[in-house]
Amino acid sequence: KAGVTQTPRYLIKTRGQQVTLSCSPISGHRSVSWYQQTPGQGLQFLFEYFSETQRNKGNFPGRFSGRQFSNSRSEMNVSTLELGDSALYLCASSGRASGPYNEQFFGPGTRLTVL
Amino acid sequence: QKEVEQNSGPLSVPEGAIASLNCTYSDRGSQSFFWYRQYSGKSPELIMFIYSNGDKEDGRFTAQLNKASQYVSLLIRDSQPSDSATYLCAVKSNTGKLIFGQGTTLQVKP
Repeated sequence: KAGVTQTPRYLIKTRGQQVTLSCSPISGHRSVSWYQQTPGQGLQFLFEYFSETQRNKGNFPGRFSGRQFSNSRSEMNVSTLELGDSALYLCASSGRASGPYNEQFFGPGTRLTVL
Repeated sequence: QKEVEQNSGPLSVPEGAIASLNCTYSDRGSQSFFWYRQYSGKSPELIMFIYSNGDKEDGRFTAQLNKASQYVSLLIRDSQPSDSATYLCAVKSNTGKLIFGQGTTLQVKP
């Protein structure tokens, strides 16, 4: 089975721009979560989608948004980019519905650099 | 108090030794616990998960959970240089969010 794929792998943007990242989960998986990883803050939860519905949301400003499509593919968008948004953005998929017992498998990530 | 705490390390062990990685969590209602391994420049890879008190073994890895003490650990037996990585403890909180610790860097010296 193919793993989680994320596109693009690397992205360079300037402050004030917006960016859209894409994630395709493992075939058959319907739950997708997004995380931001930085050296200072570590891995932080952004949001979780299941069957096109946002199930959970982390403590990030409204500039961070996401959605999930009927084929379970997901996108996240960051508007009005700030320097502090530079990070590795990771997508993880799970084969179970949102709940305590869903193991998550990560994609390779998108490295976003904001200049 | 951080929700999930790990010693950042580095933890250095000789090849062939047992590496012991520890994690504490604050949400007493947490139900599921995960260990991920992350090599430098790569994404996290799930290596173990545990839901019940006690030990769970998978090859050279053993996860241990003590909910009363809010403590979860990972033992790596017969450590190899290829085990050198950052190990992330993750806890599914009562809110449904997966909360990660800062990670422990493990160095296995030949």
